[in-house]
Amino acid sequence: DQQVKQNSPSLSVQEGRISILNCDYTNSMFDYFLWYKKYPAEGPTFLISISSIKDKNEDGRFTVFLNKSAKHLSLHIVPSQPGDSAVYFCAASLWGMRFGAGTRLTVKP
Amino acid sequence: DTGVSQDPRHKITKRGQNVTFRCDPISEHNRLYWYRQTLGQGPEFLTYFQNEAQLEKSRLLSDRFSAERPKGSFSTLEIQRTEQGDSAMYLCASSLGVAGAYEQYFGPGTRLTVT
Repeated sequence: DQQVKQNSPSLSVQEGRISILNCDYTNSMFDYFLWYKKYPAEGPTFLISISSIKDKNEDGRFTVFLNKSAKHLSLHIVPSQPGDSAVYFCAASLWGMRFGAGTRLTVKP
Repeated sequence: DTGVSQDPRHKITKRGQNVTFRCDPISEHNRLYWYRQTLGQGPEFLTYFQNEAQLEKSRLLSDRFSAERPKGSFSTLEIQRTEQGDSAMYLCASSLGVAGAYEQYFGPGTRLTVT
């Protein structure tokens, strides 16, 4: 059961521009949402999170937006840097977390 | 604090053999989780522990899989009679387990290859 979906397997942006990664979910019981970043041969690294009672959370270059009515969240990275190139996973908390399939972000110099 | 560690990092085994993986969580974390990740997919939840109690198991965790956390610290995941479909990355994560602390911190994973 795919309760968390990331429909774009890959995204390529130019350095300095905005990266927008999207995520949709189906279970309205999720109460917390997180974004993880993963480099090859490493486990996922926590990036930013948002509670279901908020619609925006910002941390430096990273902002997560939550639209509960649409069951949609997005991660904005501004400005994008080549070091941001990685696979980004959206996750939703319900005891153990449910993850999307990931979006591979490539930031070109 | 050295983070979450997992051992071994890689395991190659023949079909039908048993394998056991170990996870050492961050020391003050009382919740520990196991996930499985296959190519092109996100991590899939298998099971989690609050201290030594196993509180939830996914239906992905067949009878051939067993996880333990006997003293509420490290955990082991055993797969009996391995099958080729068990080939995957097995990830362990830990968290504080208190209200508001949802972030889980992942280890580097154990990559299992069943031949």
